[in-house]
Amino acid sequence: NAGVTQTPKFRVLKTGQSMTLLCAQDMNHEYMYWYRQDPGMGLRLIHYSVGEGTTAKGEVPDGYNVSRLKKQNFLLGLESAAPSQTSVYFCASSFIAGRGETQYFGPGTRLLVL
Amino acid sequence: GQQLNQSPQSMFIQEGEDVSMNCTSSSIFNTWLWYKQEPGEGPVLLIALYKAGELTSNGRLTAQFGITRKDSFLNISASIPSDVGIYFCAGANGGATNKLIFGTGTLLAVQP
Repeated sequence: NAGVTQTPKFRVLKTGQSMTLLCAQDMNHEYMYWYRQDPGMGLRLIHYSVGEGTTAKGEVPDGYNVSRLKKQNFLLGLESAAPSQTSVYFCASSFIAGRGETQYFGPGTRLLVL
Repeated sequence: GQQLNQSPQSMFIQEGEDVSMNCTSSSIFNTWLWYKQEPGEGPVLLIALYKAGELTSNGRLTAQFGITRKDSFLNISASIPSDVGIYFCAGANGGATNKLIFGTGTLLAVQP
């Protein structure tokens, strides 16, 4: 049982390049989330999904797109990377929401945009 | 966007000391969670609180859900070097999205 895994672990991009971050979970969770973490700040929600085929915007969605074609996978895309998107990206998943169910986090993807 | 106020921002203590940190919000939550993040890793859940006034322990960690539902506290007793990390609080109201609002984190350093 691997939990939540993220690919890749590290990436360096040039401004304007595109890339996709992959998140996979094997816990049969309905809900999945993408966060970014910047120095001195907590995690901020980028996009989330409440089930296969559905996505919604979080707090900081600009410059990102997501897709949830399979229940176990949640993809985060950067179409044209900008230096402001240099950050650590975390994926999380949880069971169907009830009373604030706990979220389980992946190890993170460290992205540097030059 | 909304973030929770967490204090202190950082703590540098000696091994064996007790630690207290807190988290406050301008709005109420139905759930408070405390996570720990170690270098190079994602946050890991420590304690979940679901009821105002609730006091819950996990080993040397004790957390409380504030009676006003606008705050929460985490205490660590007899700290050890492996307690080093960043501690985040998070509030949630469940519902259709289960979105969490995170605090800004408390960095804890423990000197042996």
